[in-house]
Amino acid sequence: EAGVAQSPRYKIIEKRQSVAFWCNPISGHATLYWYQQILGQGPKLLIQFQNNGVVDDSQLPKDRFSAERLKGVDSTLKIQPAKLEDSAVYLCASSLGWGRAETQYFGPGTRLLVL
Amino acid sequence: AQSVAQPEDQVNVAEGNPLTVKCTYSVSGNPYLFWYVQYPNRGLQFLLKYITGDNLVKGSYGFEAEFNKSQTSFHLKKPSALVSDSALYFCAVRDTSNTGKLIFGQGTTLQVKP
Repeated sequence: EAGVAQSPRYKIIEKRQSVAFWCNPISGHATLYWYQQILGQGPKLLIQFQNNGVVDDSQLPKDRFSAERLKGVDSTLKIQPAKLEDSAVYLCASSLGWGRAETQYFGPGTRLLVL
Repeated sequence: AQSVAQPEDQVNVAEGNPLTVKCTYSVSGNPYLFWYVQYPNRGLQFLLKYITGDNLVKGSYGFEAEFNKSQTSFHLKKPSALVSDSALYFCAVRDTSNTGKLIFGQGTTLQVKP
């Protein structure tokens, strides 16, 4: 079974530029998550989708971050404009459902450096 | 508010010795607890989880974790450490809200020396 795919793996941009990350979850997984992992910290949830609907985006900085999952499969996370403090690893995860016992499976992440 | 604490930034152990990585949690209601491992430049890999039942949970790569409700702990253990176990380990608790997001600790670096 293929795992969660993410691209690109690395991205370097200057502040105020825009950037987009792509995620393809494990086949059949209805729930998709985007996490931000700042160096030295644990991942923090940015947004959670159930199929193509948003379940939780309470920690997403909506003035600059946006995400979509139009067909309920793959997803895109965008930052516009980027700030220095957005430098982090962006992890995508998926699970079959969104029950509390469900295991989330993570992709390799996209490492973003904002200069 | 739910939270997870990993009191040690780094744990050092000699190869072949037992290892323990500590985790304590704070959550209202029954906890759903998870351990993940992260190797350099890679995503998080699921190790094991506690949902209910036996307090000793067995997981991947010979790891196990002991759930202790009275001490609100979920320590990760392995009887005999390998150099290849050296990595960053995260404990997480499932939020009790409707969304059930994972709340992670800050991570513990495990260094296994030959």
